[in-house]
Order: sequence, then structure tokens, then C-alpha cells
Amino acid sequence: NAGVTQTPKFRILKIGQSMTLQCAQDMNHNYMYWYRQDPGMGLKLIYYSVGAGITDKGEVPNGYNVSRSTTEDFPLRLELAAPSQTSVYFCASSSGGAHPTYEQYFGPGTRLTVT
Amino acid sequence: LAKTTQPISMDSYEGQEVNITCSHNNIATNDYITWYQQFPSQGPRFIIQGYKTKVTNEVASLFIPADRKSSTLSLPRVSLSDTAVYYCLVGDHSNTGKLIFGQGTTLQVKP
Repeated sequence: NAGVTQTPKFRILKIGQSMTLQCAQDMNHNYMYWYRQDPGMGLKLIYYSVGAGITDKGEVPNGYNVSRSTTEDFPLRLELAAPSQTSVYFCASSSGGAHPTYEQYFGPGTRLTVT
Repeated sequence: LAKTTQPISMDSYEGQEVNITCSHNNIATNDYITWYQQFPSQGPRFIIQGYKTKVTNEVASLFIPADRKSSTLSLPRVSLSDTAVYYCLVGDHSNTGKLIFGQGTTLQVKP
């Protein structure tokens, strides 16, 4: 199993540009998450999904959108990029269900710079 | 989700036992306590989780007193490779699995 994969690894955007960060998992996990981590800080939850077709906001959703059309994929869309969105973005997944494991599996991250 | 408080940083030496304490005074009945480890430029990695008393796995032990208002992560005989940020998280994961990360404790292990 590849686990959780993220693309791209690095990206530089100009202010106002848009992009999609890709996340995929091959563990058949129901639950998926997007976090951002600013330098020296903990992770902030952006959006999460408990299954295909179901998404909800986390702590810092403004400026982002998500979709979950399949169990495997959970892309994060940035519209009108701003310097404040410069961060490292992590995608994660967990099994969820009636008795979910509390272990989240994280991807390697995408380092995004907006200038 | 219950707020957690843990030391910003700790220093230790190779071979020592390290104990990192986390305060969570507002922990709810259904909340579990979970610890993650994060190395630079990597995503966090699950270490251990517990509800009460003591939990031990091949990596660490987790001590939770009866009132559950705090917990202590114990790392036996640390090595240089244990230098990382350690996060304590508390929450009821039964519905969404949501985790709220604090700032974590940066552990520096010295030779």
C-alpha cells in the first residue's frame, strides 16, 4: 500500500492564482482530512470528510474548497491565492466507522508559497 | 473539543526516560487522549492513545490519572532520533475523527 499520497510536493503561486492540491489514499478509509501547518505552529484543520459526498468545515476553511466524489480522493482547491495561504498542507485519512480508530495516517505534505 | 496545555519545549540526553505531561482540565466523558509525533518536514505519526489508567506499546507508555485531567507520555531511553515535536490531543472521535492540534512540545535529545 502506498498509504496517503499528495501532489505536488512543492508549488509556488502568484497572488490571485488558483490551484488544486491532490490527495489520495489506498487504505479504503472513510475519513479524510486537510490540515495546514504554518512555521513553528501546530496543525490547523481546514476541511474534513466522513465519506464520499460528505464534507464539512474545520477550523480554518476560508479561502479553500473541497470535494469528495470517491472514497480514495480528497482534493483541496485554493481560489484566489493569498500570501496568508503560504504553508505546508497535509492530507490525512482514518478508518472511521461505528468504532473508528483514532489513528490518522498523514501524507508527506505539500509546501506552498504564495508570492 | 477539550483544550490541551503542554510545555513548549524540553531537553533530554540519550538514554534517559522522558516524560511529557499534558493538561486537559475540560476533558469530557467520551474523550480519548491521543499522542502524535512529528519530525521536521513530515506529517505527524500516531504514537499512542488511551482513555484511563495506563497504556503501553512498543514505543511509549501513557499514564492517565483517575480524574483524567492530565496525561503523561513516557518515552523510555530516548535516542537522538526521538528529537521531534510531540502533540497531545483530546477529543471525542466517535463521529468525525476530528483532531485539534495544539502547539506541541519540541523535544530535543542531546548526545
